[in-house]
Amino acid sequence: GNSVTQMEGPVTLSEEAFLTINCTYTATGYPSLFWYVQYPGEGLQLLLKATKADDKGSNKGFEATYRKETTSFHLEKGSVQVSDSAVYFCALINAGGTSYGKLTFGQGTILTVHP
Amino acid sequence: KAGVTQTPRYLIKTRGQQVTLSCSPISGHRSVSWYQQTPGQGLQFLFEYFSETQRNKGNFPGRFSGRQFSNSRSEMNVSTLELGDSALYLCASSSTLGGTSGRNEQFFGPGTRLTVL
Repeated sequence: GNSVTQMEGPVTLSEEAFLTINCTYTATGYPSLFWYVQYPGEGLQLLLKATKADDKGSNKGFEATYRKETTSFHLEKGSVQVSDSAVYFCALINAGGTSYGKLTFGQGTILTVHP
Repeated sequence: KAGVTQTPRYLIKTRGQQVTLSCSPISGHRSVSWYQQTPGQGLQFLFEYFSETQRNKGNFPGRFSGRQFSNSRSEMNVSTLELGDSALYLCASSSTLGGTSGRNEQFFGPGTRLTVL
């Protein structure tokens, strides 16, 4: 079956530091890949996505590239802000069949950014 | 365009009771998925509905059920509540533009926080 593995957290950074959150996946076929972010007391917000190999998703300074050869989708940001403090989830979805509407999530990585 | 709305936001029940949660998807979205989020198990898929039909179901007991109405609004029901059902229940909707394969991005509501005492 499908699975997503994220780097262990929590991650604590100073403002303006470089961020990397690793994500690797196991899936049959060619999944779409996503990063979601969850702020305290809220639901999940879509941060970025990639639907095929070598696609780069980007949004709000965050980037991730779909690497099929390494089955990875690492999240990066060049300069984090205090407002980026949240929980980040890597997720995948396959097409059709038994995968209809089923996102498979990693365990989440807590990011805390200090001024 | 309004986002996904869920009601109620908070709910407190006792063991053995049943509960119904409601979800209104983004206008025009016909696919609705439900997830359970707990600190121990993370985010787990419950089921997905499209055009009033359940197309997919996760590994949850039969106490968890759902339905979708003709206007795409969805409800989930949990009967005979157990302490372990305490969780944040998230609903997500998805557009079917480009196909109905179910692999489009999902947009989440704020969730319903269920506490079972």
